[in-house]
Amino acid sequence: SQQGEEDPQALSIQEGENATMNCSYKTSINNLQWYRQNSGRGLVHLILIRSNEREKHSGRLRVTLDTSKKSSSLLITASRAADTASYFCATDRAPNQGGKLIFGQGTELSVKP
Amino acid sequence: EPEVTQTPSHQVTQMGQEVILRCVPISNHLYFYWYRQILGQKVEFLVSFYNNEISEKSEIFDDQFSVERPDGSNFTLKIRSTKLEDSAMYFCASSEDFVHGYTFGSGTRLTVV
Repeated sequence: SQQGEEDPQALSIQEGENATMNCSYKTSINNLQWYRQNSGRGLVHLILIRSNEREKHSGRLRVTLDTSKKSSSLLITASRAADTASYFCATDRAPNQGGKLIFGQGTELSVKP
Repeated sequence: EPEVTQTPSHQVTQMGQEVILRCVPISNHLYFYWYRQILGQKVEFLVSFYNNEISEKSEIFDDQFSVERPDGSNFTLKIRSTKLEDSAMYFCASSEDFVHGYTFGSGTRLTVV
């Protein structure tokens, strides 16, 4: 499998429920980021967590990072229909290695009203 | 909030033609990137650019591709002789450093016919 693999591939929940998406990666990282993409649109940066951080919050988003397991999770609490989108994790390596992002396949989240 | 601007939003071109995709990164950012996303697939890194030169490129970024920062504000991606498989959404991104996230443009949808 490749760097930055998310699961589940698709997630369907009711409005008000929490949504949890997971991401695994293979090599050492500098940062891990989560992005959102509405269908056919651009990528919106949601949150960045550094390799020395374990948890980070931003509004209804909570991200955890476990470097020993090389995995991260994104939790969206109290979901809304407007949260319907694809969510991608992306990792970057050490700064002296160019800073390119490696994206996962993404989780397609559908929040039903 | 500062934005990365991409033009055009959609371009249709005939196979074998040259295309130039344009991007205006955020003015104080130093690192610039091109990514592409074939429909239904994950976002793939093409090239990174720093200090007026390519810092890293992927296997996809072959001799048909080139990048330029002609005037200190624009950042362009040129595809010399387009192929059908170049049809994709192309995203430009910029970053101030490796501590913060990347800002992506809304993309150019390239259709090669």
